[in-house]
Amino acid sequence: KNQVEQSPQSLIILEGKNCTLQCNYTVSPFSNLRWYKQDTGRGPVSLTIMTFSENTKSNGRYTATLDADTKQSSLHITASQLSDSASYICVVSPGFTGGGNKLTFGTGTQLKVEL
Amino acid sequence: ETGVTQTPRHLVMGMTNKKSLKCEQHLGHNAMYWYKQSAKKPLELMFVYSLEERVENNSVPSRFSPECPNSSHLFLHLHTLQPEDSALYLCASSQEATSGANVLTFGAGSRLTVL
Repeated sequence: KNQVEQSPQSLIILEGKNCTLQCNYTVSPFSNLRWYKQDTGRGPVSLTIMTFSENTKSNGRYTATLDADTKQSSLHITASQLSDSASYICVVSPGFTGGGNKLTFGTGTQLKVEL
Repeated sequence: ETGVTQTPRHLVMGMTNKKSLKCEQHLGHNAMYWYKQSAKKPLELMFVYSLEERVENNSVPSRFSPECPNSSHLFLHLHTLQPEDSALYLCASSQEATSGANVLTFGAGSRLTVL
């Protein structure tokens, strides 16, 4: 069964600190992995998308890594800001034709950034 | 706004009521989706429409009835719901439904409470 597991479930950090969120998946065959940010009361917004051949991708203070061999990804947030407080969801897409609507979602990591 | 607009944002209904959720996308996408998001659970795909044709019905109870009159509008008709149907209902769109490379654009969601 395809699964995406995220850790930690929740995290509290001080403003200005860095943090790393983890995502392990068992989806096979694999096409790509995305990280979404979901603010409270809003829908998820895409941060990054990584394909099989990509190891690292950055989007401002967000850096995602992917190890397709161990089926692990991480999202590193640098110099956190209060606006980073949100749920971060890892989503994996399977690598077969017609798999676009067969996404597997993680339960998310709830991040809170405090003063 | 992200280009996907959902109304109403909040809805409270009794178990015998009939109501509808509305979604509109202004992105020129060909695929639209309904997802259910419950606390501490991954997003659950409910329905997928591609060019106004339903291509996926993920074993959703018949008390949820989708309608896609054109490629820009999607409805979710609700009747005789149960309290466990209380959740955030997210509408999303993408360029097409079959490619795993497509990025979903989500609406802000409709928070449904069934009494």
